[in-house]
Amino acid sequence: AQSVTQLDSHVSVSEGTPVLLRCNYSSSYSPSLFWYVQHPNKGLQLLLKYTSAATLVKGINGFEAEFKKSETSFHLTKPSAHMSDAAEYFCVVRSETGNQFYFGTGTSLTVIP
Amino acid sequence: EAGVAQSPRYKIIEKRQSVAFWCNPISGHATLYWYQQILGQGPKLLIQFQNNGVVDDSQLPKDRFSAERLKGVDSTLKIQPAKLEDSAVYLCASSFGTSGSFGYYEQYFGPGTRLTVT
Repeated sequence: AQSVTQLDSHVSVSEGTPVLLRCNYSSSYSPSLFWYVQHPNKGLQLLLKYTSAATLVKGINGFEAEFKKSETSFHLTKPSAHMSDAAEYFCVVRSETGNQFYFGTGTSLTVIP
Repeated sequence: EAGVAQSPRYKIIEKRQSVAFWCNPISGHATLYWYQQILGQGPKLLIQFQNNGVVDDSQLPKDRFSAERLKGVDSTLKIQPAKLEDSAVYLCASSFGTSGSFGYYEQYFGPGTRLTVT
């Protein structure tokens, strides 16, 4: 079975400082992994995806994530936080067949001015 | 390009009442998904359709939840009777298919319906 664990339920950073949101995955196969962002009262938006190509993937709004098989991790980073980054972030793993998406419990990012 | 449409956006009902949610996927998307997102949790897949057939409904509480996609386009999710623990946001998503390249299986999400059961 596949699953993801988001290690922090809440993260607070100051504006202009780096962001790190942690995600570990569990999978018996080479997974496809994604990060989604959800702003209050808005829909889910895809930030970036890993689909077995380059291990360092770049997404929208300056976010990046690195797939590390040895650590079973897919952490999300951004060099400099912006106020508009405050939102809920979800790490997601795709099923091997059938295209089911399994979401983590989410990390709430607060950006302090 | 129009996105996934859902209605209503908000619904408040009393426990034991029934409620229905509607979803219209992106044109041409054969696969449709319903997710339940309880406050403070990630979305959980309830049911997945391929055209008008059910692919996966293993996490659908079938004693009270039902869903249909009669013509392989729009879909309805129903709860009858509702319980307090059904309070959640119900998200609909769609994709062209379920395999192949990412552009083909990427799921596009609607804005959701927020259900409050009192």
